[in-house]
Amino acid sequence: DGGITQSPKYLFRKEGQNVTLSCEQNLNHDAMYWYRQDPGQGLRLIYYSQIVNDFQKGDIAEGYSVSREKKESFPLTVTSAQKNPTAFYLCASSIDPQPLTKNIQYFGAGTRLSVL
Amino acid sequence: RKEVEQDPGPFNVPEGATVAFNCTYSNSASQSFFWYRQDCRKEPKLLMSVYSSGNEDGRFTAQLNRASQYISLLIRDSKLSDSATYLCVVVGGSSASKIIFGSGTRLSIRP
Repeated sequence: DGGITQSPKYLFRKEGQNVTLSCEQNLNHDAMYWYRQDPGQGLRLIYYSQIVNDFQKGDIAEGYSVSREKKESFPLTVTSAQKNPTAFYLCASSIDPQPLTKNIQYFGAGTRLSVL
Repeated sequence: RKEVEQDPGPFNVPEGATVAFNCTYSNSASQSFFWYRQDCRKEPKLLMSVYSSGNEDGRFTAQLNRASQYISLLIRDSKLSDSATYLCVVVGGSSASKIIFGSGTRLSIRP
């Protein structure tokens, strides 16, 4: 069954702690994305990666880091520098970011991060 | 002005009604448009792409008006299961950072 798996579903972070959110896809998609969603707001792009070993900052990258060592995996680390991390984090993938008209994104079920 | 704007709603309509909502965008060079559906506390899922000539998928019709810079979604014969938040997505360039999500319109269908 192809899809995107995010884990954990719920995560609690203590002050000063780094936490890592997992995102794995078996769709053989080249592009992967991380978004943050706050209540009543749209999705905001944190980081994205178009190919292995390459990634770019999105609009709100400060306080976050990513890696893309394998095509299937794009973990997101929320560092202690992110002062307001409580949000719903969504990972997505698309078969190819180009051409634009085919940039349909498929999302994982998300991780809800809260601060203790 | 936000790059992509949607009426947050909620739209509260009876089952069987027709409902429509719009999404306006500010970048006239935007090239691709989509509607996603997001159920409460779930991930967004693609509902339909929006083509220049307009397109229909069952009870759902999407339209693009480039002159006035908005896209619309029309739902006919609404069902209880249509209750969700509808997000418009506008792609304004060749970079992933140009994929802009609206904040969504909440739709609630009552029996």
